[in-house]
Amino acid sequence: ETGVTQSPTHLIKTRGQQVTLRCSSQSGHNTVSWYQQALGQGPQFIFQYYREEENGRGNFPPRFSGLQFPNYSSELNVNALELDDSALYLCASSGGQGRTEAFFGQGTRLTVV
Amino acid sequence: AQSVTQLDSHVSVSEGTPVLLRCNYSSSYSPSLFWYVQHPNKGLQLLLKYTSAATLVKGINGFEAEFKKSETSFHLTKPSAHMSDAAEYFCVVSPYTGGFKTIFGAGTRLFVKA
Repeated sequence: ETGVTQSPTHLIKTRGQQVTLRCSSQSGHNTVSWYQQALGQGPQFIFQYYREEENGRGNFPPRFSGLQFPNYSSELNVNALELDDSALYLCASSGGQGRTEAFFGQGTRLTVV
Repeated sequence: AQSVTQLDSHVSVSEGTPVLLRCNYSSSYSPSLFWYVQHPNKGLQLLLKYTSAATLVKGINGFEAEFKKSETSFHLTKPSAHMSDAAEYFCVVSPYTGGFKTIFGAGTRLFVKA
């Protein structure tokens, strides 16, 4: 157990809908990163939040957005869902603006139909 | 720019025999390198990391990896495979010690035969 929890564990949405995924970071961690892992591929970095500000982003369109709250938990929002958004979404928390070891949650499996 | 290539998508070994999972990286600066393991329906777990200290890095569960700058490689090894080692393994490169803006390899699926 890493102390990083994600909800929900599974989700089915229809193309065009919006979805919100949630992540509670490990106690004492102030940085949260989000990753998309398509089937059979390695995780791809979406973005990172440090103290409620986005401080790094991968190659994902603006319809992928996020929030970090004062307790350092985080949300990932995806608008206008596409079939290719079907994936495992992983959250990782760390301290020191990402400069200490990252601990991963078990992920949210999103299926877009 | 940085990238990582895992040279084998699948590796199959017999229980008790050595494991070798190969990883090459490309980076324009001194990178931090990591190996993660992912068991089915579980999150990623850090096996070991290299952050410019000793080039031979020892990790959990008997795994180790050697950083070879001249070969731009960071191969993962274990002397004797156990059935519980069957999982997906990811080689990861990052400009930061903690893994910010990490680049994951495509993964190597390790099968362990009894």
